[in-house]
Amino acid sequence: DTGVSQNPRHKITKRGQNVTFRCDPISEHNRLYWYRQTLGQGPEFLTYFQNEAQLEKSRLLSDRFSAERPKGSFSTLEIQRTEQGDSAMYLCASNPRVGTYNEQFFGPGTRLTVL
Amino acid sequence: KQEVTQIPAALSVPEGENLVLNCSFTDSAIYNLQWFRQDPGKGLTSLLLIQSSQREQTSGRLNASLDKSSGRSTLYIAASQPGDSATYLCAVRGDSNYQLIWGAGTKLIIKP
Repeated sequence: DTGVSQNPRHKITKRGQNVTFRCDPISEHNRLYWYRQTLGQGPEFLTYFQNEAQLEKSRLLSDRFSAERPKGSFSTLEIQRTEQGDSAMYLCASNPRVGTYNEQFFGPGTRLTVL
Repeated sequence: KQEVTQIPAALSVPEGENLVLNCSFTDSAIYNLQWFRQDPGKGLTSLLLIQSSQREQTSGRLNASLDKSSGRSTLYIAASQPGDSATYLCAVRGDSNYQLIWGAGTKLIIKP
């Protein structure tokens, strides 16, 4: 499979717990993006990596959120001390640095439910 | 601050009809505009991408137009089919960064 993959697909956790999601971009895509989508809304940008460098961060990315892309390949998004308001679909996208006019290719998402 | 609006929020039409979905944006300084499809509980599938210098793009029964100066884009679906039922979202990328700014989507139902 050459598409963007995300794991886990679903996560249920209790308020106050920490969770970590993983995104594997399309091979050789050096740009990677995280978005969050709540029910009935469009996605909201969280953060963007070019290779291992985190170049853009939204104000939505509070101190409880941290994202890494240590080797410029897969990325992880960690949420500490989860709150019920963190319940959402977390989407990852990737694209190459050149070509495709910055068309972003999305994974299936990780649905987080905080009880 | 860029804002993207999609009208209508929901649309239900009989199979076979041609239809138009609308997307408007407040800041015309965009790099491109992308239309996506989202099935319930699923990720996003890119349908069409229009560069800021382009007026339209076509793929099969889909045609997307862009009028940057007026801040509008339309997605035209010809000969609609029940399999077209999904939520359609538009997203714009600005000139100065790489993030996409999204509309809330139009939920489309095609009745057999």
